[in-house]
Amino acid sequence: QKEVEQNSGPLSVPEGAIASLNCTYSDRGSQSFFWYRQYSGKSPELIMSIYSNGDKEDGRFTAQLNKASQYVSLLIRDSQPSDSATYLCAVAASGGSYIPTFGRGTSLIVHP
Amino acid sequence: SQTIHQWPATLVQPVGSPLSLECTVEGTSNPNLYWYRQAAGRGLQLLFYSVGIGQISSEVPQNLSASRPQDRQFILSSKKLLLSDSGFYLCAWSRQIGGYTFGSGTRLTVV
Repeated sequence: QKEVEQNSGPLSVPEGAIASLNCTYSDRGSQSFFWYRQYSGKSPELIMSIYSNGDKEDGRFTAQLNKASQYVSLLIRDSQPSDSATYLCAVAASGGSYIPTFGRGTSLIVHP
Repeated sequence: SQTIHQWPATLVQPVGSPLSLECTVEGTSNPNLYWYRQAAGRGLQLLFYSVGIGQISSEVPQNLSASRPQDRQFILSSKKLLLSDSGFYLCAWSRQIGGYTFGSGTRLTVV
């Protein structure tokens, strides 16, 4: 059973701070890692993908991957109230259908 | 650019009635297509996926079915809805390797 674990939160951070969202996974064969943002009542939106160890930066977002520790994280710098949403981590193994396993998501609240 | 259309946005149906949700993708060919359900306060549950016309894989046995009559069209159906079928239904597409693009979703309430 492939598992992707996230703390459900809510994670509450002040505006302007760095929000750190974490995700662990059980399948050592995992090769593709994704972060989705889901606003309340809306569908998830892909915001980051990462495939190799290390950091990947895109604007205020940084994804960090450590395959040895089976750990992937998302950092949001200069958090804004508009970043308040649920963040879903998804992990896919190589081969087969590449269908990812989703975590249940972490709720992030950025307060002014 | 690729776009995904899903309709209707909301639906209220009585128990025992049929269901048909449609999803179409534009701007790409031979996409992988998926149907997910997200129940209130719960994670995403994969229902069906398709890698080509007429090819449907079911992940969860239940009273739902899916069909892919055309390359970029994916339909979710039920002959008789149950109360437990209520939820947020999401269609998504992807290339073989890569993240998903989700449709806007259908919020289904079975009463």
